Amino acid sequence: KQEVTQIPAALSVPEGENLVLNCSFTDSAIYNLQWFRQDPGKGLTSLLLIQSSQREQTSGRLNASLDKSSGRSTLYIAASQPGDSATYLCGPRGSTLGRLYFGRGTQLTVWP
Amino acid sequence: NAGVMQNPRHLVRRRGQEARLRCSPMKGHSHVYWYRQLPEEGLKFMVYLQKENIIDESGMPKERFSAEFPKEGPSILRIQQVVRGDSAAYFCASSTYRGPNYEQYFGPGTRLTVT
Repeated sequence: KQEVTQIPAALSVPEGENLVLNCSFTDSAIYNLQWFRQDPGKGLTSLLLIQSSQREQTSGRLNASLDKSSGRSTLYIAASQPGDSATYLCGPRGSTLGRLYFGRGTQLTVWP
Repeated sequence: NAGVMQNPRHLVRRRGQEARLRCSPMKGHSHVYWYRQLPEEGLKFMVYLQKENIIDESGMPKERFSAEFPKEGPSILRIQQVVRGDSAAYFCASSTYRGPNYEQYFGPGTRLTVT
């Protein structure tokens, strides 16, 4: 059974810092992995999808890396802004159209 | 292209009543997933459906919960005889069978409160 852990559980930083959010998963047999952000009381917004064959994926100030063999993914946020404040979730997927697995997320607060 | 739509956004039910949650997937998507987020907990998978078929219901409680995705119309998650422990946010996601990414797109959720 896939277990997902995200570290840290919460992070509070001043704006401008470069951030590292970690995700680990117990079953390395994944098809891909999605990173999401969730604002309070809202749904999930997909940020990045990284395929199991990829090592990295970038979108703007976001960069996701994947080390499938060790069961780890990292989300880097460059030059953080208050608008980045949200909960960040990683969701590995075991098969092409299968379910996503989630941990508790990292709650990020970026203050001005 | 409208995203995943869910309604109602907020639903209040008394204990013992029925709750019906609706999800309209993105245009062209024929795969629907339901997840539940309990207060102070992570998202938990409930069920995965294609049109007229349940593919994976391993996360569904054995009693009172059912889901369908008919040939026409939205997917429905139905909770019979609701209890306070059913209070949660219920999210629907959809995906297309056309690869290569099979990305899941989430709706805004339905927040169910059982009084």
